Amino acid sequence: QSVLTQPPSVSGAPGQRVTISCTGSSSNIGAGYDVHWYQQLPGTAPKILIYGNINRPSGVPDRFSGSKSGTSASLAITGLQAEDEADYFCQSFDSSLSVIFGGGTKLTVL
Amino acid sequence: QVQLQESGPGLVKPSETLSLTCNISGHSVNTGYYWGWIRQTPGKGLEFFGSVYHTGSSVYKPSLKSRTTISLDTSKTQVSLRLTSVTAADTAIYYCVGGNPPDAFHLWGRGTLVTVSS
Repeated sequence: QSVLTQPPSVSGAPGQRVTISCTGSSSNIGAGYDVHWYQQLPGTAPKILIYGNINRPSGVPDRFSGSKSGTSASLAITGLQAEDEADYFCQSFDSSLSVIFGGGTKLTVL
Repeated sequence: QVQLQESGPGLVKPSETLSLTCNISGHSVNTGYYWGWIRQTPGKGLEFFGSVYHTGSSVYKPSLKSRTTISLDTSKTQVSLRLTSVTAADTAIYYCVGGNPPDAFHLWGRGTLVTVSS
């Protein structure tokens, strides 16, 4: 059971918009710690997708965006493409548990 | 280009010590990042072990700290992981990472699979 809660799976058709939620608590996201998002393509290591809640590293398309409010955060993907099919993880920090991750969300492009 | 390359035995016996090394190239280990380890299991997802800075500062996951030693060798540009008293639950893919907890981990190795079995 992960400290950060993500839906196990989401899906969408090409071109659509999907969102992935990441729910925490007052000791992590709600305490003001940033949320970061990673994309893990099949058979590869996770790759940073969004850092500091809303920032995209160089090379990440602007179809990917992040937001944070209260004890939750969200990753939005617009203009869904087949290559976006992957697992997505959120990460934050907990005052008692140190670095924490969500359980991951599998995105299926229909 | 920054590269993190993990190495170590792929099979460890229960109750023994797991030892992994990560060679860091293309980035100075003396600036910018903490260097450490994250593992991934099908059942528990991603799990942070700890990270160390070249000054000696460190961040560990409290529940794993008693079994974990992470060391940074700046002369060899290597970070190592020692995990004692392993069980089958420690079977996972182990990733070497660079980042600044609580900030994001911007650098990841390709990972190495370690199986704990007799």
